[in-house]
Amino acid sequence: EVELVESGGGLVQPGGSLRLSCAASGFMFSISAMSWVRQAPGKGLEWVSHISGSGGTTNYAGAVKGRFTISRDNSKSTLYLQMNSLRADDTAVYYCAKVGTTGTAFRFDNWGQGNLVTVSS
Amino acid sequence: QSMLTQPPSVSGAPGQRVTISCSGGSSNIGADYHVHWYQQVVGTAPKLLIYGNRWRPSGVPDRFSGSKSGTSASLAITGLQAEDEADYYCQSYDSSLSGLVFGGGTKLTVL
Repeated sequence: EVELVESGGGLVQPGGSLRLSCAASGFMFSISAMSWVRQAPGKGLEWVSHISGSGGTTNYAGAVKGRFTISRDNSKSTLYLQMNSLRADDTAVYYCAKVGTTGTAFRFDNWGQGNLVTVSS
Repeated sequence: QSMLTQPPSVSGAPGQRVTISCSGGSSNIGADYHVHWYQQVVGTAPKLLIYGNRWRPSGVPDRFSGSKSGTSASLAITGLQAEDEADYYCQSYDSSLSGLVFGGGTKLTVL
């Protein structure tokens, strides 16, 4: 059974940094593309970033490009999201998701439970 | 503003059929990118409900079905049940943004 467990969230001041982790199990992590998706309080879902199974290809949403970095450690089956220069509008629950890559648009096959990041002074 | 447009809310009585629309454009749904649907019950993580326009993952009841035509897609739910009350999101890829996009979400209320 696929399991994704996020950690590392919390309260951070504007301009600060935070690193989220997502521990994966139950599937072949090293060949699986992964993404981060966020949801601001009371709002809809927003794709944040994507990384290929090898880690060689990454993509970012415009709102986070240049501030966030996605990475992975396949030896630890763990996905990361390094978030720098955080702003109030980055406040959200951050989900890691296993990506399904068949078809003409990637999809999110499995989701973690989510981890709240609050950016506030 | 989302590249994919959904109605904010829909409602129906138990046993009825409801549909949720997802309207896109020439850079996403109209460009023949697949549409996927997710169900999010309050306080929980989203769950994949329909993928590749019309396919159901294992375990999803056949009361849920998806379709796509032109620049729009739809999710239909038949035999509405109380447990179907949730937020529903469509998702695709947008070539102008070079990224994955979600609709704004639709809240389904079972009366």
